[in-house]
Amino acid sequence: EAQVTQNPRYLITVTGKKLTVTCSQNMNHEYMSWYRQDPGLGLRQIYYSMNVEVTDKGDVPEGYKVSRKEKRNFPLILESPSPNQTSLYFCASGVRAGGYEQYFGPGTRLTVT
Amino acid sequence: GENVEQHPSTLSVQEGDSAVIKCTYSDSASNYFPWYKQELGKGPQLIIDIRSNVGEKKDQRIAVTLNKTAKHFSLHITETQPEDSAVYFCAATLLGQNFVFGPGTRLSVLP
Repeated sequence: EAQVTQNPRYLITVTGKKLTVTCSQNMNHEYMSWYRQDPGLGLRQIYYSMNVEVTDKGDVPEGYKVSRKEKRNFPLILESPSPNQTSLYFCASGVRAGGYEQYFGPGTRLTVT
Repeated sequence: GENVEQHPSTLSVQEGDSAVIKCTYSDSASNYFPWYKQELGKGPQLIIDIRSNVGEKKDQRIAVTLNKTAKHFSLHITETQPEDSAVYFCAATLLGQNFVFGPGTRLSVLP
């Protein structure tokens, strides 16, 4: 089944404790992206990657890191999480040739206390 | 940078009626405009999209129109059904890189 998977789905952590949210896709997509979703603000792009070893900042990159060492994986790293990073996070992937359609994962709900 | 506004924030319609959601964007260079539907507890799902070289696109009960001069695009859902109840997001992007989303519209279809 073609899908984007994220782990963990739920995470409660404390301020300053480094964490990684994994994202993996099995569709051989070149494009991958991370978003955060907050009430009333819609989805805001954190980082995106056009292909392996190519990453760019989205609209809200502060406090986040990403890497794209393999085509299928695009982990989101929070080196020192803060309470304002409490949010619902979505990973997405897409094929750029012929279109820009994105396929979203199920989401990761992160709470930082 | 790009800014996308979306109206209304909430919309209630009777089953069988039509629903229209409107978005405006600020960057005239944006060339791809998707619409996503998000059901409770799930990730957004693409329902229809339009490129800047097209004025209208239709897929069964769903249509999208684009007015490049005015920099706005709209989602039209006809013959609404209870399963259309969800949050809808519009977005804009240039070349499918940086996507900017609107704040969303919560659509309720009343039986």
